[in-house]
Amino acid sequence: SQKIEQNSEALNIQEGKTATLTCNYTNYSPAYLQWYRQDPGRGPVFLLLIRENEKEKRKERLKVTFDTTLKQSLFHITASQPADSATYLCAPYGGSQGNLIFGKGTKLSVKP
Amino acid sequence: ETGVTQSPTHLIKTRGQQVTLRCSSQSGHNTVSWYQQALGQGPQFIFQYYREEENGRGNFPPRFSGLQFPNYSSELNVNALELDDSALYLCASSLDRGANEKLFFGSGTQLSVL
Repeated sequence: SQKIEQNSEALNIQEGKTATLTCNYTNYSPAYLQWYRQDPGRGPVFLLLIRENEKEKRKERLKVTFDTTLKQSLFHITASQPADSATYLCAPYGGSQGNLIFGKGTKLSVKP
Repeated sequence: ETGVTQSPTHLIKTRGQQVTLRCSSQSGHNTVSWYQQALGQGPQFIFQYYREEENGRGNFPPRFSGLQFPNYSSELNVNALELDDSALYLCASSLDRGANEKLFFGSGTQLSVL
């Protein structure tokens, strides 16, 4: 069955450093992959979408890569700030019903 | 703000009861998807509606049902509530149902089944 793994449940980094979050998927080949941010008690908020034929996508301090050979996406936040603290969800497209499948998320904490 | 609103924000029910959760999508969004998010987990796909017709369903039993209305509102109904139904229920609207559509989520309804 389709499976998504996000590298760790929690990631703690110092302000100003680059945060790197990993998303691995198995048993399917998504044509698109999205990343969302979720704050406690709130719904996820869309950040970036990357297509299978794109190697990299950037938006301000965010960068996403998509390696279809490794079946992996990396999500980077450069010059991280305490306000970046949240849970980040990886969501490759391609459920049996054509839906997004979400990973468990990685909780990022940026310390001042 | 995503322009997607859900009601109620919190709800407490007893096992065996029925519940209706409501969602108001962004105007012009033809697609609404419902997700269940248990504590510490990612959102799990329940089903999707496109132009008032069910357009896909996840691995949830038939006691989970939905409706989508022409005025961009929708409902999730759950019958015969079980303790394991306790979760955050999220609705998400999108312009269309394609693979490249980004989802706009509401803040969710926190359902507790006692």
